[in-house]
Amino acid sequence: SQQGEEDPQALSIQEGENATMNCSYKTSINNLQWYRQNSGRGLVHLILIRSNEREKHSGRLRVTLDTSKKSSSLLITASRAADTASYFCATDRSGGYNKLIFGAGTRLAVHP
Amino acid sequence: NAGVTQTPKFRVLKTGQSMTLLCAQDMNHEYMYWYRQDPGMGLRLIHYSVGEGTTAKGEVPDGYNVSRLKKQNFLLGLESAAPSQTSVYFCASSWEGDVRLAGGSNFGPGTRLTVL
Repeated sequence: SQQGEEDPQALSIQEGENATMNCSYKTSINNLQWYRQNSGRGLVHLILIRSNEREKHSGRLRVTLDTSKKSSSLLITASRAADTASYFCATDRSGGYNKLIFGAGTRLAVHP
Repeated sequence: NAGVTQTPKFRVLKTGQSMTLLCAQDMNHEYMYWYRQDPGMGLRLIHYSVGEGTTAKGEVPDGYNVSRLKKQNFLLGLESAAPSQTSVYFCASSWEGDVRLAGGSNFGPGTRLTVL
């Protein structure tokens, strides 16, 4: 069963705009991670936020975590065409073994 | 460093045939994983290993077996392939310090398997 559900399923924006993707999950977690997958390729780790953290930044990425609502959001600022990809949230309940449960992903298309 | 590599990249099987997917990593990672990805879905964990000689079941282990005889390799076997096993298979690895240092898993490029 999928732990996470992502919203929206697909997002289409223009270059320079911000993109926000949301993730909800069902059970308590140790951490939540976001990954990017370019078409036909493997996943690339973007950012990890621990259950005791509320917000984290990495370059143009901003992740928030609300454990009371069991939800997270990924914001990509000033989007570029190269950001076109699928984005997945994944939760880890394994306490260090990084056994991930993935959501179904958001397909982001950034148009020049 | 090659990172995580997977062999083969593509394979077509007939129902009932067997095959082995090979995953190799050159980062000296303790943990390795096999996931499958079906259309429109996220990845689901099949089996994983926390060290050489160890394996454990993940979310969807039925119909698969694994072995980790060497730290750098993790093999996924299908003894009698079924059409329901048509999927893209991803191998991943991580080290025990990854989560502590806010890192994540390193994924291979995937193996696209079709079972007719």
